[in-house]
Amino acid sequence: EVVLTQSPGTLSLSPGERATLSCRASQSVPRSFLAWYQQKPGQAPRLLIYGVSSRATGIPDRFSGSGSGTDFTLTIGRLEPEDFAVYYCQQYDVAPQTFGQGTTLEIK
Amino acid sequence: EVQLVESGGGLVQPGGSLRLSCAASGFSLGDYGMTWVRQAPGKGLEWVSTISDSDDTTWYAGSAKGRFTISRDISKNTLSLQMDSLRAEDAAIYYCARRRAGRLSIYDHWGQGTLVTVSS
Repeated sequence: EVVLTQSPGTLSLSPGERATLSCRASQSVPRSFLAWYQQKPGQAPRLLIYGVSSRATGIPDRFSGSGSGTDFTLTIGRLEPEDFAVYYCQQYDVAPQTFGQGTTLEIK
Repeated sequence: EVQLVESGGGLVQPGGSLRLSCAASGFSLGDYGMTWVRQAPGKGLEWVSTISDSDDTTWYAGSAKGRFTISRDISKNTLSLQMDSLRAEDAAIYYCARRRAGRLSIYDHWGQGTLVTVSS
């Protein structure tokens, strides 16, 4: 199965700063079927990005995704207080679909 | 408004069974693929099982194959997960999620989850 490794494990930033989260796949995700989800404590995950770079409905444009092959990035342009959460990448290209272990974005 | 509400979680002994339900509203289960994803305490997300929108084709993670059964009742707009031969490592919050329109496993709506505890 495709193992997704997210880095860093924890990212400490201040509101207004830019966040860059990485997701590296153990093998190529050939059709760029990669998504990002946000999860806040006690809540269900929320879809942010799919197809590497398409924003889901209602997601602000400070969230953007990029990458191809084995290396993917979620960028949050200017952090708002509500952005501090755990972020997961997911590949749905190669069966079985898999999720990364998550990156915790915390307030510095 | 799309809503998914899970129920049926609880404490079960190793080797026991549990049936989870997910009541959907705001859309028809017949029009969307549906999935169960679980999250062990303090851990990440793990895909468990999916049922297709069109022909009830099902898929299972290796950890669930042969022990879990996903199904749906379109008349009741309810998704289910029958879990048998439960193990300690099955303890988790179980989320049902709607697969975005199309055949790709992109999950645009999630329930709040139901907690399964496996312990003697």
